[in-house]
Amino acid sequence: GAVVSQHPSRVICKSGTSVKIECRSLDFQATTMFWYRQFPKKSLMLMATSNEGSKATYEQGVEKDKFLINHASLTLSTLTVTSAHPEDSSFYICSAVRRGGPYEQYFGPGTRLTVT
Amino acid sequence: LAKTTQPISMDSYEGQEVNITCSHNNIATNDYITWYQQFPSQGPRFIIQGYKTKVTNEVASLFIPADRKSSTLSLPRVSLSDTAVYYCLVGVYSGGGADGLTFGKGTHLIIQP
Repeated sequence: GAVVSQHPSRVICKSGTSVKIECRSLDFQATTMFWYRQFPKKSLMLMATSNEGSKATYEQGVEKDKFLINHASLTLSTLTVTSAHPEDSSFYICSAVRRGGPYEQYFGPGTRLTVT
Repeated sequence: LAKTTQPISMDSYEGQEVNITCSHNNIATNDYITWYQQFPSQGPRFIIQGYKTKVTNEVASLFIPADRKSSTLSLPRVSLSDTAVYYCLVGVYSGGGADGLTFGKGTHLIIQP
């Protein structure tokens, strides 16, 4: 199968601090990884597309200086929430598309971020 | 960007077949149709993907009419554990990027005993 992991699964941080979330494709190489956020009882909202070796593409309304994305290899992408505020508290989910197809996303288990 | 429309919620009973329909009137020629299942506080799980006609796997079937403006996810003999939110996603991946990754509101399926 195609397994995607996220670390940490839960994190609580204080307002003003930065938090890094890792997304790894464990048994396949991913040309593209995506980052979503999801508020309670709401749908997933795409934040950015992360391509290995190039800058991430952010969706409209998502601050690239606040949500730093690094895609260092074909199996790892990181999302850093800088200067976190309580309104950044959310469920962050990554997904990966396998290099060479098929054209389906494999999702990670998600990271619950709580900013106090 | 193909927008999707699904019923907000559906109810059924254990052992029944459940059909969830998704409308995507402006689907593009290269777009695939993919369905995901999501439980609370978990990432979505891939269920099935198709381009046209009918696709079947061990957990579901996907029916796509000739005009591809809609699709129906069919879950045979549901159980309580099938209670979840189901998302229909229409889009395509190309050249390292992606198009159509806009999740709709999803369908909250509730299975009762």
